[in-house]
Amino acid sequence: KQEVTQIPAALSVPEGENLVLNCSFTDSAIYNLQWFRQDPGKGLTSLLLIQSSQREQTSGRLNASLDKSSGRSTLYIAASQPGDSATYLCAVSRTSGSRLTFGEGTQLTVNP
Amino acid sequence: DTGVSQNPRHKITKRGQNVTFRCDPISEHNRLYWYRQTLGQGPEFLTYFQNEAQLEKSRLLSDRFSAERPKGSFSTLEIQRTEQGDSAMYLCASRIDRWGVSSYEQYFGPGTRLTVT
Repeated sequence: KQEVTQIPAALSVPEGENLVLNCSFTDSAIYNLQWFRQDPGKGLTSLLLIQSSQREQTSGRLNASLDKSSGRSTLYIAASQPGDSATYLCAVSRTSGSRLTFGEGTQLTVNP
Repeated sequence: DTGVSQNPRHKITKRGQNVTFRCDPISEHNRLYWYRQTLGQGPEFLTYFQNEAQLEKSRLLSDRFSAERPKGSFSTLEIQRTEQGDSAMYLCASRIDRWGVSSYEQYFGPGTRLTVT
């Protein structure tokens, strides 16, 4: 059974700091990995999707990397801003179109 | 394209009552997924549809839960004889997966917050 773990569970940083969120998964036979953002009481917003054949994806100040063989992914946020405060979730799928298995999330607070 | 919509956004019900939630996926998205999220946890998969066919159900989906997608467009999730443990956010997601057109990303709706008193 696939298990996804995110470390740390919570993180508080001052504005402007670069930071790294970690995601690990127990079964390396994944099809893709997706990072999401969730604001309190809201749905999920997709940030980045990495196919299993890819090493990284970038969007603006966000960069996600994937090391499939070791079962790890990182989300790098550059020059953090208070508006980045949210819970960040990673999720993996085993096949194209199959269910997503989520981690428990990292709750990020960026202080002005 | 207005995104995935879910109704109602909030539902408060008494234990033992039945509730039904609706999800309208992004137009032309043929795959539709239901997840449940409790406070402080990541979403957990419940079930998914390709068009009107329900292809997979999680063991979390007890016999009190039923989901339908009768015309391959919107979907409903019904919970019968609700229990306090059913209190959660119910999330719907959709994606397109057809020959020649495929987006791997799942797009989520805002969720329905269920509180069972």
